[in-house]
Amino acid sequence: QSVLTQPPSVSGAPGQRVTISCTGISSNIGAGYDVHWYQQFPGTSPKLLIYGNNNRPSGVPDRFSGSKSGTSASLAITGLQAEDEADYYCQSYDRTTDGSGVFGGGTKLTVL
Amino acid sequence: QVQLQESGPRLVKPSQTLSLKCTVSGVPISSTTYDWSWIRQPAGKGLEWIGRIFSSGRTGYNPSLKSRAAISVDTSNNQFSLRLNSVTAADTALYFCARGDFWSGYTFWGPGILVTVSS
Repeated sequence: QSVLTQPPSVSGAPGQRVTISCTGISSNIGAGYDVHWYQQFPGTSPKLLIYGNNNRPSGVPDRFSGSKSGTSASLAITGLQAEDEADYYCQSYDRTTDGSGVFGGGTKLTVL
Repeated sequence: QVQLQESGPRLVKPSQTLSLKCTVSGVPISSTTYDWSWIRQPAGKGLEWIGRIFSSGRTGYNPSLKSRAAISVDTSNNQFSLRLNSVTAADTALYFCARGDFWSGYTFWGPGILVTVSS
């Protein structure tokens, strides 16, 4: 059981917009900790996609955006492309365990 | 450029101790205030945070591991290590080391090392 809750899968056609939710509680996302998002392809390390709730590292297309409100966060992908098919994970921290890291269970994005 | 590389035995017997090292290049591990973490991923499953060590030596662990994990740092070799004792088949996973902080996330990751727990 992951501490943060994500839908197991989402899908969309090329060009469409999809969102992936990440739900926490008052001791993690709701405590004010930043939410980060990672993209992972099979057999590779996760890659940082969004940091600090809504910031993109250099090289990440602006089709990817993040937001946070209350105890939840979301990742939005616009103009869906076939190469976006991957697993996506949200990550934050939890104050009940002295700021230990917590991950969502991951969401498999399928581009139809 | 910061690079991380995991190393260690890829096969561990049940009830024994899993020991992994992460060698860091491109930045002195002792001169920064980053969070040096271990994260694992069982085959076909999601990411699980194991624990971290700060360059100050302060550590933190996932409570679900019930105190089986210990992370240490070796500044002379620019490495940090993970020891996980009393392993079972449930500890079979791809183990990653990563560098991060609260505000920037885990920016740098090692390629991962697959550790299998089996007799």
